[in-house]
Amino acid sequence: GDSVTQMEGPVTLSEEAFLTINCTYTATGYPSLFWYVQYPGEGLQLLLKATKADDKGSNKGFEATYRKETTSFHLEKGSVQVSDSAVYFCALSSKAAGNKLTFGGGTRVLVKP
Amino acid sequence: DAGVIQSPRHEVTEMGQEVTLRCKPISGHDYLFWYRQTMMRGLELLIYFNNNVPIDDSGMPEDRFSAKMPNASFSTLKIQPSEPRDSAVYFCASSLGGLETQYFGPGTRLLVL
Repeated sequence: GDSVTQMEGPVTLSEEAFLTINCTYTATGYPSLFWYVQYPGEGLQLLLKATKADDKGSNKGFEATYRKETTSFHLEKGSVQVSDSAVYFCALSSKAAGNKLTFGGGTRVLVKP
Repeated sequence: DAGVIQSPRHEVTEMGQEVTLRCKPISGHDYLFWYRQTMMRGLELLIYFNNNVPIDDSGMPEDRFSAKMPNASFSTLKIQPSEPRDSAVYFCASSLGGLETQYFGPGTRLLVL
């Protein structure tokens, strides 16, 4: 079945540092890929998405490119802020799984001033 | 606009008691989802509804769990009887027109003693 693997955290970095969170997936066919973010005490919210190979999703300075050849969707941000401290979830949806979202385990990011 | 509303935000109960979690989706959304989040198992989809009809309940762990959606603006998740292993954060989410872009509520943190 579908699965998503993302790097374990926590990831601790200083303000203005470069952030990368790795995400790889296994799915039948051509899934859509997502990054959701969960801020402390809140529910998840969609950060960005890509629906086909080589698409780049972007939002709030974050970017991720759908790489079919490496089955990856790594999240990057060039200069993080303290307010980016959160848990980040990579997810996919595929027709074979009825378009339900399959989430990775989440990566906690802590940005220190 | 109000987001997804969940109540209560926190619930502490004793083993064997009935627990009812409540959710009000975003007005106009036609899909509603119930998730459970634990450290061990991550984020799991329990059940989802489309136009108030349960579509997929394959994630419901056992008969102790039940979910209803009597109308478009209200859903409940009930656990009877509750057990300590049910302790988790339960999220409700809603979406419009499909399963991919979901809006999550703040969650209900359940502790069963």
